[in-house]
Amino acid sequence: AQSVTQLDSQVPVFEEAPVELRCNYSSSVSVYLFWYVQYPNQGLQLLLKYLSGSTLVKGINGFEAEFNKSQTSFHLRKPSVHISDTAEYFCAVSDRSTNAGKSTFGDGTTLTVKP
Amino acid sequence: EPEVTQTPSHQVTQMGQEVILRCVPISNHLYFYWYRQILGQKVEFLVSFYNNEISEKSEIFDDQFSVERPDGSNFTLKIRSTKLEDSAMYFCASSELGSGNTIYFGEGSWLTVV
Repeated sequence: AQSVTQLDSQVPVFEEAPVELRCNYSSSVSVYLFWYVQYPNQGLQLLLKYLSGSTLVKGINGFEAEFNKSQTSFHLRKPSVHISDTAEYFCAVSDRSTNAGKSTFGDGTTLTVKP
Repeated sequence: EPEVTQTPSHQVTQMGQEVILRCVPISNHLYFYWYRQILGQKVEFLVSFYNNEISEKSEIFDDQFSVERPDGSNFTLKIRSTKLEDSAMYFCASSELGSGNTIYFGEGSWLTVV
């Protein structure tokens, strides 16, 4: 079984400032890691994913995340945020060993970008 | 870009009524999923479906729930006798393959049980 902890429920930040959204996970098996974004009244959109290889993963909209196996973390970063980045962000994991693609989600972090 | 579409976008139903939520996954995808998100809570896995059968389900997915792929394009979630606690956003999703592959989510169906 897996669990995901998003350490910050709300992150307010000013436009053009850097941001980091923190995610830690717990699992007894190897996992894949994902970050999704949910804009108001919309579905979930994949930002980026870590499957294997380089631990630094680049995604859409200028976001990147770094997989740290020893700290079981997958923090999301953006060097300079825009007002349009205001949304809910979810970290998720799925078990590498199954084919079902079932993902376990964190509680979400609300990113609010202020002018 | 291909997308997962869901209908209805919002449904209000009385407690005890049956509800069917419909989804059209991306056409070349093989795995289909339902997730739900109770207001203010995390997104929770309900069920995955592959090769015309359930491949995995969560403890939430009890006998009140069922899924079906009635034809080559639709994927439905039925709740037999709705309860107040079934009120949530229900997301359909699909992926080309299983674990590790990108799961594409629909925009969700808001179910309100009164």
